[in-house]
Formats: sequence, C-alpha cells, structure tokens
Amino acid sequence: EVHLLESGGGFVQPGGSLRVSCAASGFTFSNYAMTWVRQAPGKGLEWVSGISASGATTLYPDSVKGRLTISRDNSKNMLYLQMNGLRAEDTAVYYCAKTDFPDFTSSWWFDSWGQGALVTVSS
Amino acid sequence: QSVLTQPPSVSGAPGQRVTISCSGSSSNLGAGYDVNWYQQLPGAAPKLVIYENSNRPSGVPDRFSGSKSGTSASLAITGLRAEDEADYYCQSYDDNLSGPWVFGGGTSLTVL
Repeated sequence: EVHLLESGGGFVQPGGSLRVSCAASGFTFSNYAMTWVRQAPGKGLEWVSGISASGATTLYPDSVKGRLTISRDNSKNMLYLQMNGLRAEDTAVYYCAKTDFPDFTSSWWFDSWGQGALVTVSS
Repeated sequence: QSVLTQPPSVSGAPGQRVTISCSGSSSNLGAGYDVNWYQQLPGAAPKLVIYENSNRPSGVPDRFSGSKSGTSASLAITGLRAEDEADYYCQSYDDNLSGPWVFGGGTSLTVL
C-alpha cells in the first residue's frame, strides 16, 4: 500500500524559509514522478511543483517559480520542498502526491496523497 | 478564478443521483486533455475517484462515474450515501498556463 507522510510544516515570518519533507513507502519511489499540491485555508487545490522520477526535470507555476524548489532523494525515498521568500499567500496545507508516470505528461493524475503539512506565514 | 469552472455546491437526498459539472475551454478540456476527479472528505487529503475521464481506481465504488464531451466534463454519483458528503475537484492540463496542471474551484456535495 502506498504511504506518503509529510513533515516539517510550521510557522514562519514573511520572507523566511522552510523545508517540507515527504517520506514515501509501499511502492518503487524511483519509478514515479512526484508533485506538491497546496490548499490555502478554506480554498481549493493548487499544483505548485513537479519532479520527474530521476529528479532531472522540475517544473513550477509562475506563482512560485524562483521561491520554491522541489527535490528528491531516491536512495532515501524522500521528496522535499524548499520554500524561500515566503509570503502570507503561501499559507496552506502542502500535500505531496504521486503520479502514475516516470516523467512529465499532460495526462498526469495524482493517485496517492499524503495527509499534508500546514505552513503558516505570518508576522 | 479557476481555469476549470465548477458549481460551488450541489445536494441530493440519500439514494438519489447527483452530477457535478466541470467547464473548461479550448486550451484544456476542449484541446482533448483528460479530466480527473478527486474527493476530499472533511479534514482529509484528496482522493482520486476518476482518472482519464471515466476510469475508476481500484476500490472506488461503481456508483461513481465520469464523462467528458468537448469543453465540459461531469462526475455522477448514484445511490447517494451520507459518506459521499465531501468536496469534489476536477483537474486537467492547460496549454496556456505556466502551471499547466490545473484544478477546478471545487464543489461541496451535501447529502440531505
């Protein structure tokens, strides 16, 4: 059974940094592209980053480009999201999610999700 | 303002059939990209219930079905149950955006 467990959420001041991690188990982690999706309080879902199975390719929406960095360590079955220059509008629950593909494709769906890590940006 | 438009809320009585619509444009659903659907129970993470327009992942009841035509898609739930009360999101790919994997704004389903 696929299991994804996020950690590292917390409270940070505007302009600060935080790293959220996701521990994966129950599947061959190195075979699948992974993503981060966030949900602001009381709002909908927003895709914020993706990484190929090998880690060679990453992609971000303009809203976070240059501030968020996705990475992975396939030897440890770990996915990471480094967040710098945080803003109040980055306050959200951050979910890691698994795709069913090794690389980027327009057909991506997110077949397994973690329970989420809450990141609060406030002064 | 979401690229994919969903009604904010729908409701139905136990046993009834409800549908949730997802309206897109020529840069996403109309371009032939597939739609996927997620269920988010209160306080929980999203769960995939339909992928590639009409396919159900293992474990999802056949009460859930999906369809797509042109720039629109829909999720249908038959034999409505109390445990179906949740938020539902459609998701697809959009040609025009730098963040191409996009979600609808979500629909809150109330079981009366």
